[in-house]
Amino acid sequence: QSALTQPASVSGSPGQSITISCTGISSDVGGYNHDSWYQQHPGKAPQLIIYEVSNRPSGVSNRFSGSKSGNTASLTISGLQAEDEADYYCASKRRTSILWVFGTGTKVTVL
Amino acid sequence: QVQLQESGPGLVKPSETLSLTCTVSGGSISSSNSYWSWMRQPAGEGLEWIGRVYTSGSTDYNPSLKSRVTISVDTSKNQFSLQLTSLTAADTAMYYCARGPGMATHETFDIWGQGAMVSVSS
Repeated sequence: QSALTQPASVSGSPGQSITISCTGISSDVGGYNHDSWYQQHPGKAPQLIIYEVSNRPSGVSNRFSGSKSGNTASLTISGLQAEDEADYYCASKRRTSILWVFGTGTKVTVL
Repeated sequence: QVQLQESGPGLVKPSETLSLTCTVSGGSISSSNSYWSWMRQPAGEGLEWIGRVYTSGSTDYNPSLKSRVTISVDTSKNQFSLQLTSLTAADTAMYYCARGPGMATHETFDIWGQGAMVSVSS
């Protein structure tokens, strides 16, 4: 099952804003509002940071925000901080079968 | 606060069957009306959803792994388990258990275990 497409890497300086894209098809990202985003620090398990396109779980910084246009979901990190350096994955339900797919992952580097 | 912990062998031989267990603590596995999933992540690569089980025992599997996967739940032990047969080196990965996805978790994997590293080698 093909994964959702993300840029391999994105970088920014402290205080800047960056955006990570997640491109799917009409059967997954474009077909549901169940897009979610996960942050994974090296050697750690992923952690949910955005659900249902743009909602933040309790305790997640409001510097993280999500949006979607058509078949592409996006994660924006504003006021970039050193602790934001991690891998980020999007995920979506795929309509054609009962299946959840993840993005290819994006490594965020804080310069 | 619900926590998940994977357990199982770290090394399995090719062609054999992998068995992993995820123990849920801090809450009942059957009281939250949740699904429970397994994911895996080869070193340096992305995440792959393997499948999920509901507290009733009903399951859904990734079509790419369906012929080799069984996920089951034991509510009396507050655990759910993964069996993966006919192992090859390509199954070497970190295996994670997680809560979700389903309506109770907004179709997300909202709580994850710390992961269990599995190597397939003779």
